[in-house]
Amino acid sequence: AQSVAQPEDQVNVAEGNPLTVKCTYSVSGNPYLFWYVQYPNRGLQFLLKYITGDNLVKGSYGFEAEFNKSQTSFHLKKPSALVSDSALYFCAVRIRSSNTGKLIFGQGTTLQVKP
Amino acid sequence: GAVVSQHPSRVICKSGTSVKIECRSLDFQATTMFWYRQFPKKSLMLMATSNEGSKATYEQGVEKDKFLINHASLTLSTLTVTSAHPEDSSFYICSAPPVDTQYFGPGTRLTVL
Repeated sequence: AQSVAQPEDQVNVAEGNPLTVKCTYSVSGNPYLFWYVQYPNRGLQFLLKYITGDNLVKGSYGFEAEFNKSQTSFHLKKPSALVSDSALYFCAVRIRSSNTGKLIFGQGTTLQVKP
Repeated sequence: GAVVSQHPSRVICKSGTSVKIECRSLDFQATTMFWYRQFPKKSLMLMATSNEGSKATYEQGVEKDKFLINHASLTLSTLTVTSAHPEDSSFYICSAPPVDTQYFGPGTRLTVL
């Protein structure tokens, strides 16, 4: 079965410290990988994606993610966290062969950045 | 990025009434749109894929007669929750993919009394 896992319900980090939000996937074929962020009572905002090419992808607001095919992971990272980064983060995967563009979402990770 | 809007942002209705939620792609055309439902502090559950000019494709377990989807134009999809009940209260989000990335609307908070 195709799935995306975010093993941490919540990640706590102090402002200024590096942050990592983990994501692993299990799909057949080569995936497109995405990270989205959601603020309270809002829709999802696109952060970054991996389609092909360099394994390190840079996105919005200083976030980046590293695609690791052997470990089937796509962890989200930021070198220095801000309090305003506190939000709910979702990893998602789209099957390349899917012409409908359906996404499979992880369960979400709440990031709490403390001053 | 591409812009997707939803209307209304919040709606409160009485049990038994129907509610229509609109999803619009503002700066691109979308032959496909997606409708999700999100429970508090939970992930998104794909309800259906809305296809312009044809019937929507519903995910397993989603009642198509309960959640009516119409995709009448390349920029508008509507979700109608028919005969709403309190258990239909939720956050409904739409998305559209201009190319290979889905962009999401701001969501609609439905509360059924």
